Amino acid sequence: GAGVSQSPSNKVTEKGKDVELRCDPISGHTALYWYRQSLGQGLEFLIYFQGNSAPDKSGLPSDRFSAERTGGSVSTLTIQRTQQEDSAVYLCASSFLGNSPLHFGNGTRLTVT
Amino acid sequence: DAKTTQPPSMDCAEGRAANLPCNHSTISGNEYVYWYRQIHSQGPQYIIHGLKNNETNEMASLIITEDRKSSTLILPHATLRDTAVYYCIVNYYNAGNMLTFGGGTRLMVKP
Repeated sequence: GAGVSQSPSNKVTEKGKDVELRCDPISGHTALYWYRQSLGQGLEFLIYFQGNSAPDKSGLPSDRFSAERTGGSVSTLTIQRTQQEDSAVYLCASSFLGNSPLHFGNGTRLTVT
Repeated sequence: DAKTTQPPSMDCAEGRAANLPCNHSTISGNEYVYWYRQIHSQGPQYIIHGLKNNETNEMASLIITEDRKSSTLILPHATLRDTAVYYCIVNYYNAGNMLTFGGGTRLMVKP
């Protein structure tokens, strides 16, 4: 498909386990963003990539959260030792340079039990 | 902190125009106004953006006041599928400045 693809669409994990969330951006988009949205809340910025580098990691809530991007394409968001408060929808978006709009995926719904 | 202020909710009759206001009184000269919407259980969807001039595309029209301190998103003929949360965002023309999403306006289109 031509849109941003995220996998898995749903993930249920036990507290304390590690999880990996994947984002496939639109081909050719150089910028990639991760947001999360808790139930009934707005979007919270997590991290931004330009190419493979992450100039802005200011939104990562703790050192349990990390993200990488390889080949200027696919990105993985990793949450170690998950906690119940990590439960949320994790959204990925990509865009071209400049003021081009963000294109979002439909997110991964993470539930930590 | 979000730089915009929007009403938390609005209703609109199906087939009528939906006019969604946004205040951005502290907008700077090179910041754009963006509109996104989020339909339940989906990621946000880009609608339209503009700097100074009014803009129109296949989805909506964007009217920006001359002083750029406010704008209005217009859905000319609202349908039930337009029921969503609409976000107004200001952002610089510069990749890497993440969009800050405020609370948005929950638009309910009613039959």
